[in-house]
Amino acid sequence: EAGVVQSPRYKIIEKKQPVAFWCNPISGHNTLYWYLQNLGQGPELLIRYENEEAVDDSQLPKDRFSAERLKGVDSTLKIQPAELGDSAVYLCASSRRAGEQFFGPGTRLTVL
Amino acid sequence: AQTVTQSQPEMSVQEAETVTLSCTYDTSESDYYLFWYKQPPSRQMILVIRQEAYKQQNATENRFSVNFQKAAKSFSLKISDSQLGDAAMYFCAYRSNFGGTSYGKLTFGQGTILTVHP
Repeated sequence: EAGVVQSPRYKIIEKKQPVAFWCNPISGHNTLYWYLQNLGQGPELLIRYENEEAVDDSQLPKDRFSAERLKGVDSTLKIQPAELGDSAVYLCASSRRAGEQFFGPGTRLTVL
Repeated sequence: AQTVTQSQPEMSVQEAETVTLSCTYDTSESDYYLFWYKQPPSRQMILVIRQEAYKQQNATENRFSVNFQKAAKSFSLKISDSQLGDAAMYFCAYRSNFGGTSYGKLTFGQGTILTVHP
């Protein structure tokens, strides 16, 4: 069984530029999560999808962050414009509804 | 809101020895799960062990076991016969079993860096 796939693994951009992260969950997993992990800290949930529906986006900074999960499979997380404080690791995870969450390798974003 | 606290930023252990990582949490709920995740430098978060709050018996997975004290809201991880491959950041996490928008959400502690000396 293939795991959660994320791309890119690393991204370096200048502040005020846009950036997008992509996640492909494990086949059959209807729940998808995006987490933000700052250096030396635990991940924090940004948004959770049940199929195509964002059921918990209370921690997503909606002024600059957006996410979509078209067709209830792949998901994209976007930041526009990026700020220096957005430098972090962005983790994607998937599960069957409220089952064990499987994590991807993450995307490390550096904003210069 | 639930909180998870790991008071040990760093721990070290000699290979083949035993080490215990501490975790406390705060919740008013009675139905929940607790987890320990391992995150090596590759960043891949891996589930080590889980405990359901309603189960009194402490969970065990090979060399990994937990000491779950529900009344004290304590959930420690014991690693026996430590191996070099155990070196990683370890996170304690909480997940509510109640419905609603937070259903399925993991709340993580700050993490403990474990170093294993040969």
